[in-house]
Amino acid sequence: DGGITQSPKYLFRKEGQNVTLSCEQNLNHDAMYWYRQDPGQGLRLIYYSQIVNDFQKGDIAEGYSVSREKKESFPLTVTSAQKNPTAFYLCASSIGTGNEQYFGPGTRLTVT
Amino acid sequence: KQEVTQIPAALSVPEGENLVLNCSFTDSAIYNLQWFRQDPGKGLTSLLLIQSSQREQTSGRLNASLDKSSGRSTLYIAASQPGDSATYLCAVRGRGGYQKVTFGIGTKLQVIP
Repeated sequence: DGGITQSPKYLFRKEGQNVTLSCEQNLNHDAMYWYRQDPGQGLRLIYYSQIVNDFQKGDIAEGYSVSREKKESFPLTVTSAQKNPTAFYLCASSIGTGNEQYFGPGTRLTVT
Repeated sequence: KQEVTQIPAALSVPEGENLVLNCSFTDSAIYNLQWFRQDPGKGLTSLLLIQSSQREQTSGRLNASLDKSSGRSTLYIAASQPGDSATYLCAVRGRGGYQKVTFGIGTKLQVIP
């Protein structure tokens, strides 16, 4: 089955700790994205990657980092510099940046 | 800056009713518009994608229309079922450069048996 997987589904961390969220796709898509979803707000773009070994900041990149060493994988690290990390994080991919986006099931991160 | 608004924020209808969800956007220079469904605590499921050159797209009981000049899209759901209960989001992709996608906050639909 082709699709996007995110792990873990739920993640709990103490304030001050870095945490990495996994995103893997087997759709052979070139473009991948990370979004953050908060109650009462539309999805906001954190980072995107159009091709392997390349990525660009989105609207709210501060306190986050990514890597794109393989086409299938686009992990997101939430660093201790992110002031409000508790949120629902969604990974997506598309054939190219202008095409239909497909989303993973999401990771809910809670930082206390 | 593109802004996407979805009205109403919530909607409750009896089973079997036909309904329309609305999406409006401020910048008509779009590349495409995509409608999604999101169940509580889940990711987004793509429903329909309309390219800027198209007026409508259909999939089963769903029909999405696009009027770029007025900055509006509607999602029509025929013969609603309890399984249609979810939040419906629209997302507008702009033109040029990265082709940024702007999401609405969504309309939460409840279909009552």
